Amino acid sequence: QPVLTQSSSASASLGSSVKLTCTLNSGHSDYIIAWHQQQPGKAPRYLMKLEGNGNYNKGSGVPDRFSGSSFGADRYLTISNLQSEDEADYYCETWDSNNWVFGGGTKLTVL
Amino acid sequence: QVHLVESGGGVVHPGGSLRLSCATSGFTFGTYGMHWVRQAPGKGLEWVAFIAYDESNKYHADSVKGRFIISRDNSKNTLYLQMNSLRAEDTAVYYCGKSCSSGSCYSDYWGQGTLVTVSS
Repeated sequence: QPVLTQSSSASASLGSSVKLTCTLNSGHSDYIIAWHQQQPGKAPRYLMKLEGNGNYNKGSGVPDRFSGSSFGADRYLTISNLQSEDEADYYCETWDSNNWVFGGGTKLTVL
Repeated sequence: QVHLVESGGGVVHPGGSLRLSCATSGFTFGTYGMHWVRQAPGKGLEWVAFIAYDESNKYHADSVKGRFIISRDNSKNTLYLQMNSLRAEDTAVYYCGKSCSSGSCYSDYWGQGTLVTVSS
């Protein structure tokens, strides 16, 4: 079954860019994933669907500052022009027939 | 506008039961699969269960299999999670999620969550 690996934390300065990584395990490198954002004390929010070829589709109302890309088994979420409200936990998600998995999440700190 | 509103959480003793509900609006409920996902205090997201649009497929995580049952009532636009034989490790905020399609897919909308606390 698929496994998603994320770094536990990341940090970047206000107004800069950051690239978060979600890595699929061997045998699942072509899987589609979804990125979700969870601001402190709030419910998760769907950001985008990201395919292995790098194509992505964002959810309703997701700012243009958010984009996705892929390389091999790695799926990336890039946030440009970081804002204070981008400080949050970011989770990737994928699924396989009858099972869904989330990565452990990356806590993003905006300095 | 899609809205998902969970209810039914609370404090329950170990071994007890609870039924969660997720009332939905803003989309054609009967044509989408639905998920339950939980988050223990200070932890990450954990998928719990999925149900297809017509209940033809139901899947549960190994951690809850045999104890929790996902169901839906398309006439009421409502999703349910029956939780039996509750354990301390089931303590979490439970979120419902709308699947991106009628079948297996990720969640593209989330509710605000309902807290379940299992404690003696």
